[in-house]
Amino acid sequence: SQQGEEDPQALSIQEGENATMNCSYKTSINNLQWYRQNSGRGLVHLILIRSNEREKHSGRLRVTLDTSKKSSSLLITASRAADTASYFCAMDFGNEKLTFGTGTRLTIIP
Amino acid sequence: DAGVTQSPTHLIKTRGQHVTLRCSPISGHKSVSWYQQVLGQGPQFIFQYYEKEERGRGNFPDRFSARQFPNYSSELNVNALLLGDSALYLCASSSVPASWVTKEKTQYFGPGTRLLVL
Repeated sequence: SQQGEEDPQALSIQEGENATMNCSYKTSINNLQWYRQNSGRGLVHLILIRSNEREKHSGRLRVTLDTSKKSSSLLITASRAADTASYFCAMDFGNEKLTFGTGTRLTIIP
Repeated sequence: DAGVTQSPTHLIKTRGQHVTLRCSPISGHKSVSWYQQVLGQGPQFIFQYYEKEERGRGNFPDRFSARQFPNYSSELNVNALLLGDSALYLCASSSVPASWVTKEKTQYFGPGTRLLVL
């Protein structure tokens, strides 16, 4: 069973707007990662945030981590049509594997 | 440089059959992990191999097995296929075991093999 929940399940926004998706988990993590998946194919690593970090930036991406609430958020600013994809958080619980969330399906409307 | 490659890209089998999926990691990567992604869900961990030894196993039945070869490529085998085994099977490679992953040494995923069991 999945140990990560994401919301919303689906999100549609206009091109140029910001998109925010959230991830919650249940037990302590070593790090949390965000991945993008286009059209049900391979996953692309976006960003990794360690448990002792609170915020990371990479280009138009901003990730926050609140370990007290066991939650993370991914913000994509100035969205583009090419950002249309499914986004997954993945938790490293220190057990030799990644545990993925349920995913958010993002649609950018041109 | 070539990324992670998987073969075949698509596969159709019938219930009860056996299937072998193959993965070639990025050159220099010694860790290979396998994930199953059922339609509409996030990937679920099946196995991790590092330096040809199993380092992790997910909650999958014994019908699922895997191995890693001296060149670090890997095979995932599934016996006695069930309809519920229909999924996208993803392979990921990294230079270090999953628990050692850092920003600089992250996992790279292949395009996957889409398996349909009829």
